[in-house]
Amino acid sequence: EVQLEESGGGLVQPGGSLRLSCTVSGLIVSNNYMSWVRQAPGKGLEWISFIYNTGDTYYADSVKGRFAISRVNSRNEVYLQMNSLRAEDTAVYYCARYDALTHFDYWGRGTLVTVSS
Amino acid sequence: QSALTQPASVSGSPGQSITISCTGTSSDIGGYNYVSWYQQHPGKAPKLIIYEVSNWPSGVSTRFSGSKSGNTASLTISGLQAEDEADYYCTSYTSTNALVAFGGGTKLTVL
Repeated sequence: EVQLEESGGGLVQPGGSLRLSCTVSGLIVSNNYMSWVRQAPGKGLEWISFIYNTGDTYYADSVKGRFAISRVNSRNEVYLQMNSLRAEDTAVYYCARYDALTHFDYWGRGTLVTVSS
Repeated sequence: QSALTQPASVSGSPGQSITISCTGTSSDIGGYNYVSWYQQHPGKAPKLIIYEVSNWPSGVSTRFSGSKSGNTASLTISGLQAEDEADYYCTSYTSTNALVAFGGGTKLTVL
């Protein structure tokens, strides 16, 4: 059974930093395309970042230059380092597998990030 | 503003069928058969219900079906049930540097 579990969310001040973790079981992150998707309160879903099996990384324009996705193969974990946080980054952040470059098939339960003074 | 356009809301009675549209461009929906649909209940993670336009993941009811014509994809739910009340999102691969386009979501109300 595949399971993804996010952690690391919380309250942070504008301009601050936070690192989210995604602990994965049932699949090997280094063999897959992993992603972060977020959802602001009462809003729709927004893709923000991929890390491919090759290690290549991609970002939505809204977070480019501020967020960084990475993974640790030995821990089978994916991370999202978030810097220069803004109020508009407030959202539930989901970790998901992006299968075959066409769809998100496995999702975690999400972790809430609140950016506020 | 979302890259893909969905109606904000749709409604139907139990047993009826409803269709949710998702309109994009030739750079996304019209150019690739990589449309997927997700169901999200309040406070829960999204759940994949259709991938690559019309394929079902294992365990998903065949009451959900997907199709595409030109730049518009559609999700049809037949035999509506109370548990189908949720938000539904479409996505598509896009050849723009955004890589993935999401729809704004459609709230389904079962009357």
